[in-house]
Amino acid sequence: DSGVTQTPKHLITATGQRVTLRCSPRSGDLSVYWYQQSLDQGLQFLIQYYNGEERAKGNILERFSAQQFPDLHSELNLSSLELGDSALYFCASSVDWTAPHGYTFGSGTRLTVV
Amino acid sequence: GDSVTQMEGPVTLSEEAFLTINCTYTATGYPSLFWYVQYPGEGLQLLLKATKADDKGSNKGFEATYRKETTSFHLEKGSVQVSDSAVYFCALVSSNTNAGKSTFGDGTTLTVKP
Repeated sequence: DSGVTQTPKHLITATGQRVTLRCSPRSGDLSVYWYQQSLDQGLQFLIQYYNGEERAKGNILERFSAQQFPDLHSELNLSSLELGDSALYFCASSVDWTAPHGYTFGSGTRLTVV
Repeated sequence: GDSVTQMEGPVTLSEEAFLTINCTYTATGYPSLFWYVQYPGEGLQLLLKATKADDKGSNKGFEATYRKETTSFHLEKGSVQVSDSAVYFCALVSSNTNAGKSTFGDGTTLTVKP
């Protein structure tokens, strides 16, 4: 157990729907990162939050949004889902906002859009 | 922008063979460098790291040295085991941004046969 908790582990939903992925960072970590892992595009950075505030943004689609709450857990909202959104979504955390010592990853949420 | 190039896989070795997975990077400044490992069905785990030039990261028999002159961070292990079968990712965090976004290579799949 890495200490980063992601729920749900698996999600199957239809095109056009909206889902919410949840992440609780490791105890003591203030930064949360979201990554998308697909077979053809590898690990793609989506967004970073630090202590409730957005810190960095990657190629995150406008249909996707995220936030970090006062208790530091984070949610990634994916809407108007398309088949191409099927992927593994990972959350990671680090103590500070620059992560010079790397991340702790959760076990991921596998999203299947049908 | 930052980029990481990894040796293409898959790599198949016999148990007790010597392993090298090449990784080169492009980044401004002095990035921190990492190797992560992903076992089937799991999230990524930090395997080792190096935060400055000539540092050697090591863990579980794996080693990698931060070579600034060749912008490389090759992963090595003297004698692999079946349990080392996994996907290995090279990654960096730039020192030039005020955020902790990591850039990952595409991953190299290692299979070790008895």
